[in-house]
Amino acid sequence: AQKITQTQPGMFVQEKEAVTLDCTYDTSDQSYGLFWYKQPSSGEMIFLIYQGSYDEQNATEGRYSLNFQKARKSANLVISASQLGDSAMYFCAMREGNNAGNMLTFGGGTRLMVKP
Amino acid sequence: GAVVSQHPSRVICKSGTSVKIECRSLDFQATTMFWYRQFPKQSLMLMATSNEGSKATYEQGVEKDKFLINHASLTLSTLTVTSAHPEDSSFYICSARPDTPGGGSPLHFGNGTRLTVT
Repeated sequence: AQKITQTQPGMFVQEKEAVTLDCTYDTSDQSYGLFWYKQPSSGEMIFLIYQGSYDEQNATEGRYSLNFQKARKSANLVISASQLGDSAMYFCAMREGNNAGNMLTFGGGTRLMVKP
Repeated sequence: GAVVSQHPSRVICKSGTSVKIECRSLDFQATTMFWYRQFPKQSLMLMATSNEGSKATYEQGVEKDKFLINHASLTLSTLTVTSAHPEDSSFYICSARPDTPGGGSPLHFGNGTRLTVT
């Protein structure tokens, strides 16, 4: 079974509007972390936001917020006030356990296109 | 912030030759580094976990004799693609996480290496 699922291969959003990118995950671990990365066409992976499994508050970082619904095992990324520069691939990822040596497993990604 | 430097950013080589890719953590120590591969329009797939001072751990289906990993110090890991073939053409990207306790620190990625084998 897929550990990280992103069901939207591509999304359009109008500039200045908000957009939600979906992510669901599957794990039997109690301790895990969820991450969102942005990958522009140049290829680098840019860390956006992190949510720990024990965090009670939804994470926020500037225009990014993570809608964490633990019971549903979802960790959707919300981008407010979209900008043209937000056009990129977005990957949801999970680290199981609480160890610096644990790798990230990535979802299939969502390509976001911001329309002017 | 934590920076990971990866070189080269782009390489073109002929079939049968070997290519070495370096991954350095510039301002932190990383006992563990990860090597991912990304084919066009696909996600990142973990190839191997590189452990300082010990053998790398390879994911299922990744040939350890073809993709040689050396993690010689706490700040440097190298991936050597040996006897490269056109099907090895891909985007290779390394990542590292500072050796600090707790689970919140993200993986920091290099800028990737686009390998083209002709």
